[in-house]
Amino acid sequence: GNSVTQMEGPVTLSEEAFLTINCTYTATGYPSLFWYVQYPGEGLQLLLKATKADDKGSNKGFEATYRKETTSFHLEKGSVQVSDSAVYFCALSGFQGAQKLVFGQGTRLTINP
Amino acid sequence: KAGVTQTPRYLIKTRGQQVTLSCSPISGHRSVSWYQQTPGQGLQFLFEYFSETQRNKGNFPGRFSGRQFSNSRSEMNVSTLELGDSALYLCASSRETPSRDTQYFGPGTRLTVL
Repeated sequence: GNSVTQMEGPVTLSEEAFLTINCTYTATGYPSLFWYVQYPGEGLQLLLKATKADDKGSNKGFEATYRKETTSFHLEKGSVQVSDSAVYFCALSGFQGAQKLVFGQGTRLTINP
Repeated sequence: KAGVTQTPRYLIKTRGQQVTLSCSPISGHRSVSWYQQTPGQGLQFLFEYFSETQRNKGNFPGRFSGRQFSNSRSEMNVSTLELGDSALYLCASSRETPSRDTQYFGPGTRLTVL
């Protein structure tokens, strides 16, 4: 079936470190891919998205490239800040016209000063 | 433009009771989806409404129901609450079809069942 697998957390880094959170997916057709972020006590915020192969989504220093050949959408940031501490969710939609998002299990990121 | 709003933000109920949660989408958005978030199961899709019609439903028992009004506002109802229904319930809206449009989420309603 359609699914998303994320790198298991929690992930702890020091400020200014390089971040990678891996995400791979299984889907029929050509899904759209998303990264959402959830800060403590809040809902989900869209971080970035890509709707077709080789598209790169970017926002607030985060980037992810839609790689169809490896069915991946890894999230990267060159220099993380304490304020980036949150839970990150990879998600897909648009497979076979399904009207919903399918999420990965989430990766908790903690940045230490 | 105002975001997705959900009321109430917190609820405490006891087993056997029922509960109604409300969601107001972003102005101009016609699709509203509901998700349940729990530590064990993660984020799971409940249902999606578009122009007052349920178009898609997740794998939840019939105790979970919803509706959408002509102004696109949506409510979900859970009857005969169980302890396992304790969760964060998230509403998301999109302009047209969630399969291609971005979904924007509200802050959620945290339901605790005692």
